[in-house]
Amino acid sequence: KQEVTQIPAALSVPEGENLVLNCSFTDSAIYNLQWFRQDPGKGLTSLLLIQSSQREQTSGRLNASLDKSSGRSTLYIAASQPGDSATYLCAVRQDSGYALNFGKGTSLLVTP
Amino acid sequence: GAGVSQSPSNKVTEKGKDVELRCDPISGHTALYWYRQSLGQGLEFLIYFQGNSAPDKSGLPSDRFSAERTGGSVSTLTIQRTQQEDSAVYLCASSSQTGNTGELFFGEGSRLTVL
Repeated sequence: KQEVTQIPAALSVPEGENLVLNCSFTDSAIYNLQWFRQDPGKGLTSLLLIQSSQREQTSGRLNASLDKSSGRSTLYIAASQPGDSATYLCAVRQDSGYALNFGKGTSLLVTP
Repeated sequence: GAGVSQSPSNKVTEKGKDVELRCDPISGHTALYWYRQSLGQGLEFLIYFQGNSAPDKSGLPSDRFSAERTGGSVSTLTIQRTQQEDSAVYLCASSSQTGNTGELFFGEGSRLTVL
């Protein structure tokens, strides 16, 4: 059974810092990996999707990398802003199925 | 519609009552998912639809839970004889299989409270 772990569980940084969120998974037979953002009381917003054949994806200040063989992905946020404060979730889809397996998320607080 | 729409946004019910939660996916999306998010827990997969059929319903926690999808569009998640442990946010997501990227788009969720 796929296990997805996100470290750290919570992170507080001052505005302007670059930061890295980590995601690891136990079964490397994945189809894709997706990073989401969740604001309190809201649904999930898709940030980046990386197919298993890709190494990284970029969108604005966000960059996500994937090392499938070692079971790791990182989400890099450049020049963090208070508006980046949210919970960030990593999810993987297996080759053999359609469901996404989610980590428990990293709660990020960016202070002014 | 422009995004995934869920209703009701909030539902408070008494233990033992039945509830229905509705999901209207993004137009043209053939794949539809239901997830559950309990306080302090991660997202728990419930069921996956491709068109009107459900090839993966492995996450439904008990036979009190059922879901259907009609016309390849709207889906309804039904919980019978609700229990307090059913209290959670129920999230729906849809995906277009065109190009098979598999990117999921989520609705805002339906918050269920069972008293």
